[in-house]
Amino acid sequence: AQTVTQSQPEMSVQEAETVTLSCTYDTSENNYYLFWYKQPPSRQMILVIRQEAYKQQNATENRFSVNFQKAAKSFSLKISDSQLGDTAMYFCAFPVSGGSNYKLTFGKGTLLTVNP
Amino acid sequence: DAGVIQSPRHEVTEMGQEVTLRCKPISGHNSLFWYRQTMMRGLELLIYFNNNVPIDDSGMPEDRFSAKMPNASFSTLKIQPSEPRDSAVYFCASSLGGEKLFFGSGTQLSVL
Repeated sequence: AQTVTQSQPEMSVQEAETVTLSCTYDTSENNYYLFWYKQPPSRQMILVIRQEAYKQQNATENRFSVNFQKAAKSFSLKISDSQLGDTAMYFCAFPVSGGSNYKLTFGKGTLLTVNP
Repeated sequence: DAGVIQSPRHEVTEMGQEVTLRCKPISGHNSLFWYRQTMMRGLELLIYFNNNVPIDDSGMPEDRFSAKMPNASFSTLKIQPSEPRDSAVYFCASSLGGEKLFFGSGTQLSVL
């Protein structure tokens, strides 16, 4: 079965510091996308960043970047210069079967708290 | 763009009652998804549509759940009869070509 695992239920970081959230997945596919979503207290699910598996270069979106290790099936999210507004649940997501992006499977999430 | 619009935002009902959740996807998107979020099970995909046609409903928990998409701009998720264990946040999401999912704000359902 294809799965997504987030091993850190909760994390905290001081404002302006850097934090890394981990995610591992299991698949037999070769071409696929990986996603990180953020869910703040407002409940809205917001796409943070997307990585294409066939690209060796790690994706970057402003303060957010990923460390994608395809062979290790690891997809971690690094948040630099953490801000109070980054406090949220973070979900790693991966499409189940066939390389399709349709059936996204989500990890259990990591609750990140940014402290002032 | 108004984004994915879900209604109602909150729904409180009694066990046995029928519940209908509504979703308007982003205009031009061709795929629509219904997810359920609970503390115990996290985010689960219930069903998804492509071009208004249900593609995979294997995540629908029971026959009490049904979903329709009569046209490209509207979908419903119905629970009949509702049970306390159906209490959860239900999300609708849409995408174009499946690359990125855009989520609505969700419906918080409480079944008493």
